[in-house]
Amino acid sequence: LAKTTQPISMDSYEGQEVNITCSHNNIATNDYITWYQQFPSQGPRFIIQGYKTKVTNEVASLFIPADRKSSTLSLPRVSLSDTAVYYCLVGAVRTYKYIFGTGTRLKVLA
Amino acid sequence: DADVTQTPRNRITKTGKRIMLECSQTKGHDRMYWYRQDPGLGLRLIYYSFDVKDINKGEISDGYSVSRQAQAKFSLSLESAIPNQTALYFCATSDSTEKNTEAFFGQGTRLTVV
Repeated sequence: LAKTTQPISMDSYEGQEVNITCSHNNIATNDYITWYQQFPSQGPRFIIQGYKTKVTNEVASLFIPADRKSSTLSLPRVSLSDTAVYYCLVGAVRTYKYIFGTGTRLKVLA
Repeated sequence: DADVTQTPRNRITKTGKRIMLECSQTKGHDRMYWYRQDPGLGLRLIYYSFDVKDINKGEISDGYSVSRQAQAKFSLSLESAIPNQTALYFCATSDSTEKNTEAFFGQGTRLTVV
């Protein structure tokens, strides 16, 4: 499984765009990149998944460069309720074991 | 009703006791997982099962065992609980037939071993 590296924590202000980058230098050809969000004492919740280029849904965008060795989760115009831990996971569908790292603790300030 | 249900939600038990945490799902998924989370840390995979006849150890399986009684049920047992197994435990499910590998998590079980 590809190892992922993310910043431990980030602070932002309400209304700003937040970009969280994840490094995964040994990503394999069949691996997808998935991001989860976790609030305190709750289970993680799926945010977005991608394989290459850009993926966008109603809550976030995921940017993946051509070499796929990193990815960036972009949260537009964050609010206080976006304060959470964000996890980047990398793995192939067939063998997906959902190995979570320590994640990035995002704090949104008023 | 939640798609992934864990019981109990909270449990306090004594050192040396056997305890079982249960997970059931109504999503029809074939894959199920057990994780533990310690304060301020990420989730660590204990066991996972890709179908009823498949059980695999995760990152931290020592001191734990599991049973996949049916596609919808996956139980985690602590044969002889110890204080450092005090943690928040999560069950999760996913569907291997979908290209999107989204996992769905239960509400968690807060276990305290005294």
